Amino acid sequence: EDQVTQSPEALRLQEGESSSLNCSYTVSGLRGLFWYRQDPGKGPEFLFTLYSAGEEKEKERLKATLTKKESFLHITAPKPEDSATYLCAVQAILELRDDKIIFGKGTRLHILP
Amino acid sequence: DAGVIQSPRHEVTEMGQEVTLRCKPISGHNSLFWYRQTMMRGLELLIYFNNNVPIDDSGMPEDRFSAKMPNASFSTLKIQPSEPRDSAVYFCASSSSVQDLPYNEQFFGPGTRLTVL
Repeated sequence: EDQVTQSPEALRLQEGESSSLNCSYTVSGLRGLFWYRQDPGKGPEFLFTLYSAGEEKEKERLKATLTKKESFLHITAPKPEDSATYLCAVQAILELRDDKIIFGKGTRLHILP
Repeated sequence: DAGVIQSPRHEVTEMGQEVTLRCKPISGHNSLFWYRQTMMRGLELLIYFNNNVPIDDSGMPEDRFSAKMPNASFSTLKIQPSEPRDSAVYFCASSSSVQDLPYNEQFFGPGTRLTVL
């Protein structure tokens, strides 16, 4: 069964304490992997798309990486405004059908000042 | 641009009533998506339109749910009759999709929080 699993479910860090969020996926074929940020009471906000193993994307304090089985979202020297839920999603290739998108349940990140 | 607009932002209704959620996508976007988000199941795709045509409705839970996109600037998601288990936040998203990557870089609306009593 195609699935996307994010870990940890929740993470509390001190301001400036770098860490990584994990997104592992099991799909028959990967077309693309997406990272989104979601603030409380709002819709998800797009961050990155990764297409193939070895690819990396960066935006401010965030860097996303991709392997054949998982993706990491590295957060360097985070600030309180980085507190949010980070969602990972994959576009899975299906045989004889259109692709489908599968979201993980997210990691709730809280940065303490 | 105002972004994706959804209405209402909150809806409280009683079991058995009809509920209609509305969405205005970003002008120029050719794809529109309806999602449902709950604590238990996370974010799930319900239906995906491309150029106003439904492409994938396999996520629509059952016949009580229906969605329409009469033109490029408006879509509705209707639940009739509503049930307590339909309580969730419903998001609409739009994108300028390319053929092989229809789910790339979606812009989400603020959501409609639905409570069915």
